[in-house]
Amino acid sequence: DTAVSQTPKYLVTQMGNDKSIKCEQNLGHDTMYWYKQDSKKFLKIMFSYNNKELIINETVPNRFSPKSPDKAHLNLHINSLELGDSAVYFCASSLAAGGTGELFFGEGSRLTVL
Amino acid sequence: LAKTTQPISMDSYEGQEVNITCSHNNIATNDYITWYQQFPSQGPRFIIQGYKTKVTNEVASLFIPADRKSSTLSLPRVSLSDTAVYYCLVGAPAAGKSTFGDGTTLTVKP
Repeated sequence: DTAVSQTPKYLVTQMGNDKSIKCEQNLGHDTMYWYKQDSKKFLKIMFSYNNKELIINETVPNRFSPKSPDKAHLNLHINSLELGDSAVYFCASSLAAGGTGELFFGEGSRLTVL
Repeated sequence: LAKTTQPISMDSYEGQEVNITCSHNNIATNDYITWYQQFPSQGPRFIIQGYKTKVTNEVASLFIPADRKSSTLSLPRVSLSDTAVYYCLVGAPAAGKSTFGDGTTLTVKP
C-alpha cells in the first residue's frame, strides 16, 4: 500500500484553466502539506493542515486553494493557471503538528502549463 | 527561519565515503536538522535526523558540531544507487518553521 498517494501523476493543461490535485495518506498522520518543486529542484512549502485546519499558508497566490475534507486527505485546487505554475507538486504528511517528525512524501504531480 | 546553504553538486566514486555539509548559521535553539534523499521522479525520503553531536543509522551518519551552525551528512562506501539529490532541512515543518536547503546533487561514478 502506498503511504502517501497523489493523483494525477502528470497534468498538462492550457493557461487560464482550473485544475486539482488530490492527495491521500493512509499513515494515520495528523498533519499534511503541499510543497512545490521548481525546475531548479528547490523545495518550497505552500500549505500545511493539521486535523483539517490550515496552520501554514506561505506566500502563495490566492489562485491556489487547499481543501482538507478529513485528516487523511488534502487536495490542491488551482484557478486560472499561469505558465509559472509549471512545477512538481508534492504532498507530504507527518505524525503531529509542532514536532520535528519525519515527512513522508508522495511521488509528486508534474504540472505543465502551456 | 534558518537559512541553509549546501554545495550544488558533488562527484564521487563507488566505495568512497561522501560527506555533504549544510551551513545554517542562524539555527534556532529548538531546531532539528534532517536530511532527505530524492531520486528522479520520486518524492524526497527521510535519511537521518539529529540535534547535536553524532547520530548514526544503517545508511548514514550525521555530524553536528557544538555550535550547531553546520551539519555534515556522511554516506559510507557509496554505490551507484546513491546517485540522488540530498536536502538538509532545518527546523520543524509542522510548526511552519523550517527551510529546505537547495539540494546537493551527488553523482557516484563507477
